[in-house]
Amino acid sequence: GENVEQHPSTLSVQEGDSAVIKCTYSDSASNYFPWYKQELGKRPQLIIDIRSNVGEKKDQRIAVTLNKTAKHFSLHITETQPEDSAVYFCAAPKKDDKIIFGKGTRLHILP
Amino acid sequence: DTGVSQDPRHKITKRGQNVTFRCDPISEHNRLYWYRQTLGQGPEFLTYFQNEAQLEKSRLLSDRFSAERPKGSFSTLEIQRTEQGDSAMYLCASSSPHLNQETQYFGPGTRLLVL
Repeated sequence: GENVEQHPSTLSVQEGDSAVIKCTYSDSASNYFPWYKQELGKRPQLIIDIRSNVGEKKDQRIAVTLNKTAKHFSLHITETQPEDSAVYFCAAPKKDDKIIFGKGTRLHILP
Repeated sequence: DTGVSQDPRHKITKRGQNVTFRCDPISEHNRLYWYRQTLGQGPEFLTYFQNEAQLEKSRLLSDRFSAERPKGSFSTLEIQRTEQGDSAMYLCASSSPHLNQETQYFGPGTRLLVL
């Protein structure tokens, strides 16, 4: 079936701490996993993505890890800052490039 | 601004009316996608085009919904006989085979409110 499960739905972390958001997918043919950040009233913006031929990718304070065997991937944000507060969506494509999005995680960075 | 653009940004209509939204993708992006997003949810796929060909339609897309991309550039999404349940943000995205075909760039969306 077409399913991307994302957890948690809400996450609050102290400024400076790390945040981790996890997603699982069901289609074993999926080979590309993007993460989008959506601020209130704005468009989803791609922040990082990973292909199935690597297990981890980093970009400054953001990293994504992928476990193809277990069919899950995670977003890690270190040294969180107030501007990291947003809704984050994971996604996984079907083989026809239709993308299935998770339901989102609302991240609150506490001062 | 060379990003994906959508028009209008907001639309308020009465139940039963028809509405049409427009999306202009990034120049030379061959694929164009339509999504619907309701509060607290992720974007839900509706349909997508490769150039002018409509390749897939979601089961979410009832027969009141129709999308076109006649010249392979901009696209329109029309909703006929709108219902209150159609109230949502309608997002458009585009992608290019010259970069990474799977990477989709979103427009700002059209927020529809059906009264």
